[in-house]
Amino acid sequence: DVKVTQSSRYLVKRTGEKVFLECVQDMDHENMFWYRQDPGLGLRLIYFSYDVKMKEKGDIPEGYSVSREKKERFSLILESASTNQTSMYLCASSFSEDRDPYEQYFGPGTRLTVT
Amino acid sequence: QKEVEQNSGPLSVPEGAIASLNCTYSDRGSQSFFWYRQYSGKSPELIMFIYSNGDKEDGRFTAQLNKASQYVSLLIRDSQPSDSATYLCAVNMVNNNDMRFGAGTRLTVKP
Repeated sequence: DVKVTQSSRYLVKRTGEKVFLECVQDMDHENMFWYRQDPGLGLRLIYFSYDVKMKEKGDIPEGYSVSREKKERFSLILESASTNQTSMYLCASSFSEDRDPYEQYFGPGTRLTVT
Repeated sequence: QKEVEQNSGPLSVPEGAIASLNCTYSDRGSQSFFWYRQYSGKSPELIMFIYSNGDKEDGRFTAQLNKASQYVSLLIRDSQPSDSATYLCAVNMVNNNDMRFGAGTRLTVKP
């Protein structure tokens, strides 16, 4: 069974704090993704990584950065948390496009509240 | 135009009926299409994927793909209350390693 874990299910932070969200997968997947999910807006891609130390911006990278030092771990960093970053954050992983199947598997999500 | 569009619903069907969920996409070169189910407060889980034009069946679920018309659909036969969830359509874009999701259709199956 593919397992994607996230460091916290619920997190409450203050405006201006630096926030780290961690994601670990155990399936040797090349690709890892960070999304945020908001009502009515669906899943929006923040960043993804297709290899160690590689990263690509998604649709909404502003205010976020990422780190992938090891294949199994992908971290999302909120440099200075703001209230508009209150959201559900979902991590996902998949094999690369040339390996079948490459559907994405999701972690349980972190519900972040910034006050 | 959004890359992946779905009717947000809610779609309500009686138990035992067929639920039909639709999705359109903008990138004509897209190759792979996925349906995820997401229960309230939970993360998305994959139901089916389809690569080729036509139908693909898996139990009570059938995915249909029409690349010429750029739509993909999901049929759920003999709908059960446990099928009540939000269904997300996802498309792998050409020359990208990422996937684009629709906003989801909320399905309610009434006993």
